[in-house]
Amino acid sequence: GENVGLHLPTLSVQEGDNSIINCAYSNSASDYFIWYKQESGKGPQFIIDIRSNMDKRQGQRVTVLLNKTVKHLSLQIAATQPGDSAVYFCAEIFSGGYQKVTFGTGTKLQVIP
Amino acid sequence: EPEVTQTPSHQVTQMGQEVILRCVPISNHLYFYWYRQILGQKVEFLVSFYNNEISEKSEIFDDQFSVERPDGSNFTLKIRSTKLEDSAMYFCASSLDGRTEAFFGQGTRLTVV
Repeated sequence: GENVGLHLPTLSVQEGDNSIINCAYSNSASDYFIWYKQESGKGPQFIIDIRSNMDKRQGQRVTVLLNKTVKHLSLQIAATQPGDSAVYFCAEIFSGGYQKVTFGTGTKLQVIP
Repeated sequence: EPEVTQTPSHQVTQMGQEVILRCVPISNHLYFYWYRQILGQKVEFLVSFYNNEISEKSEIFDDQFSVERPDGSNFTLKIRSTKLEDSAMYFCASSLDGRTEAFFGQGTRLTVV
């Protein structure tokens, strides 16, 4: 069948390696950023967040880096596992306005066992 | 752990028919959202709802769409006369205060035939 709309960039990573997923956000006034993970057939699931007064935040196996100068976010996943296979979306919020989460395009992460 | 629940998980409807998608947000949350995701594409904002009124809506959310909080727990999205292009996953989300992460439901897959 025709795969209309399936234009997600894909990152293939060997199990155990580190993954880096990048995202450019659009609104320079956004002050809160979230990475969401979406597994097939499920809703987006919160992974980690960062506020604009920080440039790095670490969680369990995940690190988010924020570069406000170039409006860039990255998500680093250490020791990638098969369960990490999903689509990853960055999202931005401008908390000074009506709060809504604006999603980026998404990156599909494929973990090769 | 509290979660956002959506019903039904899959709805098939004929073009021109009305559909109502239902959501139960997390109980102490104040901000509610509907998002749409066409297959293989990013998650798109439709509408946000706070204090029993729409706080923001996107261009997608035209006169065919409406939202309602009929009681203290449910949050619904109505599409009055469905079109083929309304076929998508519809996600409900809620946020405690609109300034922190939104929690998403598992989605309702709407298929218009």
